[in-house]
Amino acid sequence: AQTVTQSQPEMSVQEAETVTLSCTYDTSESNYYLFWYKQPPSRQMILVIRQEAYKQQNATENRFSVNFQKAAKSFSLKISDSQLGDTAMYFCAYSGSARQLTFGSGTQLTVLP
Amino acid sequence: EAGVAQSPRYKIIEKRQSVAFWCNPISGHATLYWYQQILGQGPKLLIQFQNNGVVDDSQLPKDRFSAERLKGVDSTLKIQPAKLEDSAVYLCASSLAPSTSPYEQYFGPGTRLTVT
Repeated sequence: AQTVTQSQPEMSVQEAETVTLSCTYDTSESNYYLFWYKQPPSRQMILVIRQEAYKQQNATENRFSVNFQKAAKSFSLKISDSQLGDTAMYFCAYSGSARQLTFGSGTQLTVLP
Repeated sequence: EAGVAQSPRYKIIEKRQSVAFWCNPISGHATLYWYQQILGQGPKLLIQFQNNGVVDDSQLPKDRFSAERLKGVDSTLKIQPAKLEDSAVYLCASSLAPSTSPYEQYFGPGTRLTVT
């Protein structure tokens, strides 16, 4: 079974600065996807960024980028130029051949003015 | 394009009562999921449908939970009788058929259930 671990329950960052959220996972599959989802207090789960395991290039979406280390099974999220609207719970998630999402326990990020 | 719709948004019931949640996926999405998210935790898959058939319900507590997806579109999740530990947010998600999807799931706003 796949597992996803987020070891940082809470983090804070000053507005306009950069923050990195950590995630590790365990799997025996060779083809899979990794995701970062954002969940604000409204509870709506919003996709931030996705990474395909067979692509070596790290995914980037505007201020969001990942550091994907396949051998180490590590998938961290970097948020640059943090904004107050980035305050939310962030979940790392894995999806393999079963097309099911396995989520980590989440990291609550607070952006301070 | 309309997103995944869920209702109700909030529900408060007493233990041993029954409750039902409704989900309408994005048009054309063949796969539908129900997740349970307990406060402070990540969502956990309860059941996965492909069209109107069940793909995986191994984590659904079948003694009290049931789900159906009639005609391969809308889905309902029912709890009967509810227990205190069922208090959670119930999320519905949908995705395109596996052969065409980059594994991406789209989520609804969720239903917050409180069992007293």
